[in-house]
This record gives sequence, C-alpha cells and structure tokens, in this order.
Amino acid sequence: QQQVRQSPQSLTVWEGETAILNCSYEDSTFNYFPWYQQFPGEGPALLISIRSVSDKKEDGRFTIFFNKREKKLSLHITDSQPGDSATYFCAASARNSNNRIFFGDGTQLVVKP
Amino acid sequence: DPKIIQKPKYLVAVTGSEKILICEQYLGHNAMYWYRQSAKKPLEFMFSYSYQKLMDNQTASSRFQPQSSKKNHLDLQITALKPDDSATYFCASSQEGTASAETLYFGSGTRLTVL
Repeated sequence: QQQVRQSPQSLTVWEGETAILNCSYEDSTFNYFPWYQQFPGEGPALLISIRSVSDKKEDGRFTIFFNKREKKLSLHITDSQPGDSATYFCAASARNSNNRIFFGDGTQLVVKP
Repeated sequence: DPKIIQKPKYLVAVTGSEKILICEQYLGHNAMYWYRQSAKKPLEFMFSYSYQKLMDNQTASSRFQPQSSKKNHLDLQITALKPDDSATYFCASSQEGTASAETLYFGSGTRLTVL
C-alpha cells in the first residue's frame, strides 16, 4: 500500500501563475511532511517542510497547507518562475520510525515563460 | 563543493556481474541511507545506517549489501546484476539527535544501466 500519494503526476502553468501540488497520506502517525525539489541530473533537495501541529507553513513563494483531519496537504507555488520547473516530492515520516521517510511518486512541474 | 560524493556518476554493467557504488559524505552526519529511483518507483527507500550500524532494510534481495568502512562512508555492493536493477541510486545522510534529524541531504546519484 502506497503511504504517500501525489497528484497531479504532471502540471504545466504559465509564468506568474500559482501552481498547486497535492498530497495525501495513509498513516495517521505521520507527523512530519517535507517537500523535496529535484532538478534533472541532481538529487532531491529539501524545499520546505511542515509538522502536523501546524496547518500552514510559508517560505517566500512556497506555502504548505495541511489538513490533518483529511490527511491531505498541498504545496502552493505563487508567481511561478521557469526556474521552478522541477519534480516535487511530497514525503512523510513518523516519530520513532528509524527516520524512514516515505516519498510520493512526485509531480513534474513545468512553468512556461 | 558537493557535500555528498557519489562515484561513479554513470555505470554500465552486464547481467550477472557485480558492482560497488561509492558514497562519502562530508557533512559530519551520523546517519546514511540508500534510495533507488526508477520509472517504476520514483524514490524507494533501501537501507538506513546509524553510527555505521544497519537500522532499517527494505530491500528484499540479499544481492544488495551496504558496506560502511568508515563513519562517513556507505557503499552499496550489488551482485548478480539484473536489467531490472537499472536505476539511479541515491545516497543520503542526516544528523540524528538534532532538531533537523529528519532532513535528508542527497548526493547527485549513480545512474546504473544493466545490459
């Protein structure tokens, strides 16, 4: 059973628009949700993260909205730039899990100029 | 300068052969991991090590053997290679026991192709 699911699989937006990437999870013990950004030929890099005690986390143009009751979260990228074109992975982990982090399948974002 | 060095960047092997993927991290971290990325499973956890001891193993096959000769090294030995092993293998590290213990730092990967 896949622990973390992401949608859409791919997303294309125009420069300046807001991109919305969705994520849902199964395990209610998950309490930490990082988003990783991956460019072609590189490893994933942490972009922004949120803990389950919060419902929103903002960092510049990137905002995570978290709904614990529905076990859903989303990443909003406002004023999208061509340089934001990358694959975004939603991930989740639980305390005392040997730090095992479960990744979703990723959303490939293309921002057209 | 890259803080996690993976070597080689590209690797081509024949079916049945054995290869070792190298990973060294210079972040001073005490935990290291291997992940596999392929078209079928974008980021699949394989192993985690803490203080050079195996903590978690989610690889069904014994053909995959991590090797930790030093605190900042975690190599991956793959024996009896199969075409299905073709993927990009990422090494990662983190610092356990700190507020940022859950943040993984990834290397740039080794792309393995098995013919």
